[in-house]
Amino acid sequence: DQQVKQNSPSLSVQEGRISILNCDYTNSMFDYFLWYKKYPAEGPTFLISISSIKDKNEDGRFTVFLNKSAKHLSLHIVPSQPGDSAVYFCAASEVMFGNEKLTFGTGTRLTIIP
Amino acid sequence: GAGVSQSPSNKVTEKGKDVELRCDPISGHTALYWYRQRLGQGLEFLIYFQGNSAPDKSGLPSDRFSAERTGESVSTLTIQRTQQEDSAVYLCASSFGTRQPSYEQYFGPGTRLTVT
Repeated sequence: DQQVKQNSPSLSVQEGRISILNCDYTNSMFDYFLWYKKYPAEGPTFLISISSIKDKNEDGRFTVFLNKSAKHLSLHIVPSQPGDSAVYFCAASEVMFGNEKLTFGTGTRLTIIP
Repeated sequence: GAGVSQSPSNKVTEKGKDVELRCDPISGHTALYWYRQRLGQGLEFLIYFQGNSAPDKSGLPSDRFSAERTGESVSTLTIQRTQQEDSAVYLCASSFGTRQPSYEQYFGPGTRLTVT
C-alpha cells in the first residue's frame, strides 16, 4: 500500500512561472514532511521540510504548504528556473514517535521550458 | 564539509555472488539509513541505525540482506547470493537523529548494483 503518493509523474512549466508539485499521504501518524530533488546519477538533495505543527514553510523560491485535514502537501517553486529541472520526491516520517525512516512517493519529473 | 560518501559507485556482479556496499556518513550524524531505488520506482527504506540502539531492519526484503555499522561511522550493506531483482541503486543517508532539532536526511550519490 503506497502511503505517500505523487499522482503526477511529470510536469512541464515555462521558465519564470510557478511550479506546483503535489503529494498526498494516507498515514495520519506522519508528522514531518520533506521534499527532495534528484538529478540523474546523483543522490537526492534535501530541499525543504515542514513539521505537522505548521501549515507553511518558506525558503527562498521554495514554499511548502501542508493541509493536514486533507492529508495533502504541495511544493511551490517561483519563479521556476531551468536548473530546477529534476525529479522531485515527497517524503514523510513519524519523528515524534521515534520512527525517522522516510517513506517516499514515486516522484514527479519537473521540466522547466526556457 | 564532506557529505555522505558511498563506494563503489558502480558494481556489476554475477547472480549468486555476494556483494558489500560501503557508506561513510557525515561526521557528527548519529543516524544512518539505507534505501534502494529500483528502475522506475521510488525510494524504498531498507534499514536504519541510531546510535547504540538496535537497528530497525523492518525494510530488509529478505535474509540475504544484512547491514552493520561501526559505532557512529562507517556502515556496510551486504547482499548474499545476489539475484537479478536486487539490481538497483542503493542509497545511504545520514542525519542528526531524533535527539536533535534537525531531522533532515542527507544522501550519498548511491551505488548502482547490476546483477547479471
